[in-house]
Amino acid sequence: GAVVSQHPSWVICKSGTSVKIECRSLDFQATTMFWYRQFPKQSLMLMATSNEGSKATYEQGVEKDKFLINHASLTLSTLTVTSAHPEDSSFYICSAKWGQNTEAFFGQGTRLTVV
Amino acid sequence: AQSVTQLDSQVPVFEEAPVELRCNYSSSVSVYLFWYVQYPNQGLQLLLKYLSGSTLVKGINGFEAEFNKSQTSFHLRKPSVHISDTAEYFCAVSEGSNYKLTFGKGTLLTVNP
Repeated sequence: GAVVSQHPSWVICKSGTSVKIECRSLDFQATTMFWYRQFPKQSLMLMATSNEGSKATYEQGVEKDKFLINHASLTLSTLTVTSAHPEDSSFYICSAKWGQNTEAFFGQGTRLTVV
Repeated sequence: AQSVTQLDSQVPVFEEAPVELRCNYSSSVSVYLFWYVQYPNQGLQLLLKYLSGSTLVKGINGFEAEFNKSQTSFHLRKPSVHISDTAEYFCAVSEGSNYKLTFGKGTLLTVNP
């Protein structure tokens, strides 16, 4: 199957700073990428959908100014958590797909801890 | 809006026993259904999916699932589990082919020797 890579795998940052998470499709061109958030021992919640070259579509309740998503190329999307706080600590996972009717492949996730 | 209910948060079983992980969904339109497995601190791996056609779907690692439209269910089964099957299992649904997934809360399968 297709490979999606996230970087970093884990990150610790200080409260008030910003942190960027990268999601790359290594062997295909991802026209659409999804960002999910997973709280400990809970399910994944879709945060936003990004299409290459256009603004991300955020789910209800997700602060677009806090979680900045950029999908500037067909192989890279980034999620920037701005002014991070301890409550932003979570596991963030991206998935990527190409075209209309294809499977979305998941990255390995990024564990963010804000101290 | 669609939703997914996984009825069991934890399922402990002994090695080589059969297992069924239950999943029910609700949606007003046709759906695609998925089962994913997640090992600790890792991403998701697709076990199997139902898009259309035969309601019995076979996936990787010996897992299979049956789509039951009348009962809006998509239960996951394996006839004989291994220790290595210990993981969190998520059922998910998307409305059609957009692959914008709604996940259930997950079922932790623990296989004991």
